[in-house]
Amino acid sequence: DARVTQTPRHKVTEMGQEVTMRCQPILGHNTVFWYRQTMMQGLELLAYFRNRAPLDDSGMPKDRFSAEMPDATLATLKIQPSEPRDSAVYFCASGLASKDRTSLYEQYFGPGTRLTVT
Amino acid sequence: QQQVKQSPQSLIVQKGGISIINCAYENTAFDYFPWYQQFPGKGPALLIAIRPDVSEKKEGRFTISFNKSAKQFSLHIMDSQPGDSATYFCAASKRETSGSRLTFGEGTQLTVNP
Repeated sequence: DARVTQTPRHKVTEMGQEVTMRCQPILGHNTVFWYRQTMMQGLELLAYFRNRAPLDDSGMPKDRFSAEMPDATLATLKIQPSEPRDSAVYFCASGLASKDRTSLYEQYFGPGTRLTVT
Repeated sequence: QQQVKQSPQSLIVQKGGISIINCAYENTAFDYFPWYQQFPGKGPALLIAIRPDVSEKKEGRFTISFNKSAKQFSLHIMDSQPGDSATYFCAASKRETSGSRLTFGEGTQLTVNP
């Protein structure tokens, strides 16, 4: 049963602390996305990777957010320092790009990490 | 710039009725239009998708209708059931040299009353 996994599922932290969220994409998928979901903004794309290389991180606040893929089975999203406005549900999604690398259609989402920054 | 607009924001339907959610897009380069279903506490799950070379796609009780000239597409849920109560997102994607990405609508919260 292939699925995207995310840890932790819930995180409560104090303002100023570092937060690390982890994602394991579906085995064989070569594209990983990070999204943030809030009531006000809906689903926002923060960053995405193809074959572990960052393709676009324009949706992330650069001064505090960073995203990496140390290997093909792990993607991380870090926030340092965290702020109350970062409270949201963070989703990771993965997919398989076409051979010409220009098309990717199906994205499979993980269960999300609910972050609360007090 | 909101490239995919979704309506209504919320929808209440009686069991057995038809639920209809609409989306409109601006970018004519979009070439893939999926619908996602999200239950509370879960991630969005791909429900059904269509490409612009067809006007309709049906999978069970779920149908996408696509109008390329109007740049609109809609999700129809026939014989709606209480278990269909969820938030539905439309999305659109286009090919890019850097790799395609999804642009999501704002979401529709569907409630199906027993």
